[in-house]
Amino acid sequence: DTEVTQTPKHLVMGMTNKKSLKCEQHMGHRAMYWYKQKAKKPPELMFVYSYEKLSINESVPSRFSPECPNSSLLNLHLHALQPEDSALYLCASSPVMGQAYGYTFGSGTRLTVV
Amino acid sequence: GENVEQHPSTLSVQEGDSAVIKCTYSDSASNYFPWYKQELGKRPQLIIDIRSNVGEKKDQRIAVTLNKTAKHFSLHITETQPEDSAVYFCAATPVTGGGNKLTFGTGTQLKVEL
Repeated sequence: DTEVTQTPKHLVMGMTNKKSLKCEQHMGHRAMYWYKQKAKKPPELMFVYSYEKLSINESVPSRFSPECPNSSLLNLHLHALQPEDSALYLCASSPVMGQAYGYTFGSGTRLTVV
Repeated sequence: GENVEQHPSTLSVQEGDSAVIKCTYSDSASNYFPWYKQELGKRPQLIIDIRSNVGEKKDQRIAVTLNKTAKHFSLHITETQPEDSAVYFCAATPVTGGGNKLTFGTGTQLKVEL
């Protein structure tokens, strides 16, 4: 299995809702990432997990809460989002945090906040 | 931190022509430079990468060149085909350290016209 799987593919949520995005990989990668991508812009790093521990938080607002339950799963919990948070959320993984090769992106969750 | 500039932002070529996209980076610690192709609504996919100990790398119709002294690298696509139409992102990162944070260029929308 050489893929990163993200669910759901599409999500529409209200500003008072709580929802979660899920990411799964079975490549044995020990580094996992959340990126946010706005239309016609490059992906922007949000969080990096290394060996299930949060290593980097790029000053992301607390309404985004990441979680790494085990080495294969990465969640992003969403609460009280704003319309400007609408974007494509990409999960990625790589073998280890200290190695940039083998970076693999998931297909993303397209989030719309209404 | 790293800053990556990418040009042009849009590029139109006739089928069969060559396309060149250029990127410059700022951090001399960066030594790994991947290129991603992103079709509309899909994930970024790695198409080629280069490490700083190599000046050029080729894979069929795609090649990347790197000038470490000038801190710039370029993507060359020969014999372009309609399926090459997509947004292309360059990126830079240190292979080790740096949190595997891929710093992306701003993207190039390539259109291959029949």
